[in-house]
Amino acid sequence: GAGVSQSPSNKVTEKGKDVELRCDPISGHTALYWYRQRLGQGLEFLIYFQGNSAPDKSGLPSDRFSAERTGESVSTLTIQRTQQEDSAVYLCATRKGVGEPQHFGDGTRLSIL
Amino acid sequence: GDSVTQMEGPVTLSEEAFLTINCTYTATGYPSLFWYVQYPGEGLQLLLKATKADDKGSNKGFEATYRKETTSFHLEKGSVQVSDSAVYFCALLYGSSNTGKLIFGQGTTLQVKP
Repeated sequence: GAGVSQSPSNKVTEKGKDVELRCDPISGHTALYWYRQRLGQGLEFLIYFQGNSAPDKSGLPSDRFSAERTGESVSTLTIQRTQQEDSAVYLCATRKGVGEPQHFGDGTRLSIL
Repeated sequence: GDSVTQMEGPVTLSEEAFLTINCTYTATGYPSLFWYVQYPGEGLQLLLKATKADDKGSNKGFEATYRKETTSFHLEKGSVQVSDSAVYFCALLYGSSNTGKLIFGQGTTLQVKP
């Protein structure tokens, strides 16, 4: 497709389970970002990839959160031992190059019971 | 650190009313400024941007001017439509970093009634 694709669109899971969220970037977009949007709040930066390296992980809230990227392709965000405060919409954005705007996916709505 | 503050919502207007959504920022260096819009059930879309002081971004009848003296980037539209109902986010591009990460305000919900 032409845009950033995220899956699943919705995920409901029990507290303590691990979840994996996927982001397929726009072809040719080298930079990839993960953000979290809690209900009624703005987006919080989580992690930035340039290619398959992550020079900025400063937004990851705890060591339960990790992310990987395969080359300049798919990225996965993994949350281990989920907690209720992890409930949020997780957004992925990609960018072609410096000075270019970020393009956002529709997000994954994660609900922890 | 860098931050963005938006006016509280929701903002409720009648169709054809004038819209202003205030946005102020705190930043080191010279950030670029953005407005993103999130329509119901859709993802974030870039609405407009400005990269330096006194630049005016515009799109779909919306405008915002980068005011360095007041550290503001207020969003305006002269005549809103029901289809403009959405959540609007002001954001800055973290000026002192080359990572390109965006710092967002908390969002302002706009409801336009016919």
